[in-house]
Amino acid sequence: GQNIDQPTEMTATEGAIVQINCTYQTSGFNGLFWYQQHAGEAPTFLSYNVLDGLEEKGRFSSFLSRSKGYSYLLLKELQMKDSASYLCAVRGGDNTDKLIFGTGTRLQVFP
Amino acid sequence: DADVTQTPRNRITKTGKRIMLECSQTKGHDRMYWYRQDPGLGLQLIYYSFDVKDINKGEISDGYSVSRQAQAKFSLSLESAIPNQTALYFCATSDPRTPSTQYFGPGTRLTVL
Repeated sequence: GQNIDQPTEMTATEGAIVQINCTYQTSGFNGLFWYQQHAGEAPTFLSYNVLDGLEEKGRFSSFLSRSKGYSYLLLKELQMKDSASYLCAVRGGDNTDKLIFGTGTRLQVFP
Repeated sequence: DADVTQTPRNRITKTGKRIMLECSQTKGHDRMYWYRQDPGLGLQLIYYSFDVKDINKGEISDGYSVSRQAQAKFSLSLESAIPNQTALYFCATSDPRTPSTQYFGPGTRLTVL
């Protein structure tokens, strides 16, 4: 079966660091994506990992361990505008771009 | 101008009505997708298309149909709308030559009474 798990909600303080975890069990693997989605808006692409290790992009970093079926998104120097849902998605091993999405983690940043 | 557009942005309809949601893109991508999103649930794939002659069912295609009229246009129809089709609907596009991220339209909020 296909299963992607991530926490439902997290809270953090402005200026802090937060780590959002994602574990997956899918039939095949060809990349893991993180999207940010503000309430009522479209998801926007944050990061893509296909090999093990850490990808850094400004305040956001994403890590992947394929052997553990595990990824995390790290957000540094949190800002109020980072309050949003963060969606973990896996691309399967078939020759398509179909993504399997987790239910998302709603992050609230407080002053 | 937005690369992926959806019309209408909001729609209220009654049970049993047929409605069509439209998606257009200027990104030149061959691959297009329709998703629905319900509160507390992830995005679920309804249908996807890899070119004008290609239509594929996703996880939750029952009660929906699609039409790929051109590379740039992908329409989703609800033949006979029912209240549990009330959701936020997103269209997306992708290009396999890039890291294959999907680019999402702004969404259509559909309410079926």
